[in-house]
Amino acid sequence: AQKITQTQPGMFVQEKEAVTLDCTYDTSDPSYGLFWYKQPSSGEMIFLIYQGSYDQQNATEGRYSLNFQKARKSANLVISASQLGDSAMYFCAIGGATNKLIFGTGTLLAVQP
Amino acid sequence: DTAVSQTPKYLVTQMGNDKSIKCEQNLGHDTMYWYKQDSKKFLKIMFSYNNKELIINETVPNRFSPKSPDKAHLNLHINSLELGDSAVYFCASSQRTSGGHSSTDTQYFGPGTRLTVL
Repeated sequence: AQKITQTQPGMFVQEKEAVTLDCTYDTSDPSYGLFWYKQPSSGEMIFLIYQGSYDQQNATEGRYSLNFQKARKSANLVISASQLGDSAMYFCAIGGATNKLIFGTGTLLAVQP
Repeated sequence: DTAVSQTPKYLVTQMGNDKSIKCEQNLGHDTMYWYKQDSKKFLKIMFSYNNKELIINETVPNRFSPKSPDKAHLNLHINSLELGDSAVYFCASSQRTSGGHSSTDTQYFGPGTRLTVL
């Protein structure tokens, strides 16, 4: 069985600062992928970044980077230079052999001006 | 230009009614999914189809029946709606399922359908 744990229900960050959203996972699949999605108040689910379990380098997409520590089973999302529009719920998810996504409970990020 | 679309966006109905939610993707993906997001924002997989074949069927009541007429469409039909069915339902698609995971397994979500059962 796969599991995602997001221990931060809510986070505050000042505009233009960096913020790290925590995610730890558990899986028995040898090959898996880790995903981060953003859900703004409008409700849509926006894909941000992907990290494969065999990827040697940490994934980056613009201001988003994924701090992947396989031995610790963690896949933290780092958002650099926070913007007001980054205020949203952020979900970490894991996909394995069947590719069904198992989601964490989410972290609500508030960016303050 | 819409990648994954769902209709309707909002659905308000009475208990006991039957309703359908439609989903279409124009990404050329092989696999489509249905997820349910409850009032606490928790997202859970319901079904997955690959090339019109059911491959994931979580412990969902029989009142929920997915139908995939072709690989670009995955509809969700719900019979005898109950209060507990009130939620946001998301359709998603990905390029492929695989034994070895890769970025092509990324799932892209539709805008969601907010179902309210009165």
